[in-house]
Amino acid sequence: DAGVIQSPRHEVTEMGQEVTLRCKPISGHNSLFWYRQTMMRGLELLIYFNNNVPIDDSGMPEDRFSAKMPNASFSTLKIQPSEPRDSAVYFCASSRSGVQETQYFGPGTRLLVL
Amino acid sequence: SQQGEEDPQALSIQEGENATMNCSYKTSINNLQWYRQNSGRGLVHLILIRSNEREKHSGRLRVTLDTSKKSSSLLITASRAADTASYFCATSGSARQLTFGSGTQLTVLP
Repeated sequence: DAGVIQSPRHEVTEMGQEVTLRCKPISGHNSLFWYRQTMMRGLELLIYFNNNVPIDDSGMPEDRFSAKMPNASFSTLKIQPSEPRDSAVYFCASSRSGVQETQYFGPGTRLLVL
Repeated sequence: SQQGEEDPQALSIQEGENATMNCSYKTSINNLQWYRQNSGRGLVHLILIRSNEREKHSGRLRVTLDTSKKSSSLLITASRAADTASYFCATSGSARQLTFGSGTQLTVLP
């Protein structure tokens, strides 16, 4: 099994630009999670999908952030426009079903907004 | 807000020694999980303990759960340099998310 795949692994962009992060969950997993990790705030859940439907997006910071899951094997997290405070490591994780089960994390995307 | 809080924040030990990390949480839970994160990498699941379990083992790992004290501990026996990482507890309960603590940074010196 390839595990959770994220791209790009690193992204450097300028303030105001659009950023799109991509995730391919483990095949057969029904739940997908987007997290953000910073030194100051630790690991925060941004949004959680179950069967491609957003279940809890209360962690999405503001309207500049949006996430989609058009099918069971692909999700995107978009930031538009990006700001320096968005600099963080963004992780995608998947689980067989729901938040209670083991989550498998991708390697993360390290985002730097200048 | 973070549900679980690990203690200590940082721990440094010699190879071969045991490492103990603690996690305290505030509300009732269904299960508690421990994850490891190597520098620059994603989190890796170590062990899950359900609220009706008191102790669980996996290799050199031993996890205990005391729901009356709302606390858990992770013991790594006979530590190795490769165990150097950050360790996080994560709780799930009525909230529809897995909530992670701030982590313990473990350094195992060769």
